[in-house]
Amino acid sequence: NAGVTQTPKFQVLKTGQSMTLQCAQDMNHNSMYWYRQDPGMGLRLIYYSASEGTTDKGEVPNGYNVSRLNKREFSLRLESAAPSQTSVYFCASSEYGPPYEQYFGPGTRLTVT
Amino acid sequence: EDQVTQSPEALRLQEGESSSLNCSYTVSGLRGLFWYRQDPGKGPEFLFTLYSAGEEKEKERLKATLTKKESFLHITAPKPEDSATYLCAVVGSSNTGKLIFGQGTTLQVKP
Repeated sequence: NAGVTQTPKFQVLKTGQSMTLQCAQDMNHNSMYWYRQDPGMGLRLIYYSASEGTTDKGEVPNGYNVSRLNKREFSLRLESAAPSQTSVYFCASSEYGPPYEQYFGPGTRLTVT
Repeated sequence: EDQVTQSPEALRLQEGESSSLNCSYTVSGLRGLFWYRQDPGKGPEFLFTLYSAGEEKEKERLKATLTKKESFLHITAPKPEDSATYLCAVVGSSNTGKLIFGQGTTLQVKP
């Protein structure tokens, strides 16, 4: 089992460009999450999907959109990237929503210039 | 507002020197407290979930405990491979679906 996979691993964008971060899990989990991790700020939830077909905003949703494509896949889209979105992005999944434990992917390091 | 504070920010230990990491939390209706380990350049790795005060869990050299206000991650006779950042997170009844993370404690164990 690969667990949670994310693509790409690294990305550099120019301000105003768009991109989609991909996430897939093979654990048959119902819930999936997108976080960003910044120095001094810890991990912050961007969006989550409690189950296929549902999505909800987290703590820092502005500038992002998500799509729960199917049970396995949950993508994060930046429509018009800004330097403030420079961060490391993690996808996670859990069997059900909290307090079930979440399993994280390896992350995508995004730089917006 | 739910809040998690971890201390110290950084900790240096000699191999074999036991110590504890602290996670203080403020949450209404604790539903779970989580400990994760994060190695540089990698995603957090799940360690423990604690649900109620008095609960303890162990894994190798790590032992997590929980009170009504804080959790401790005790590291007994650490080895250099225990070097990592340890993250604490909580979920409360008023914030279901959302883990609130602390900023982590970076542990360095020297041989």
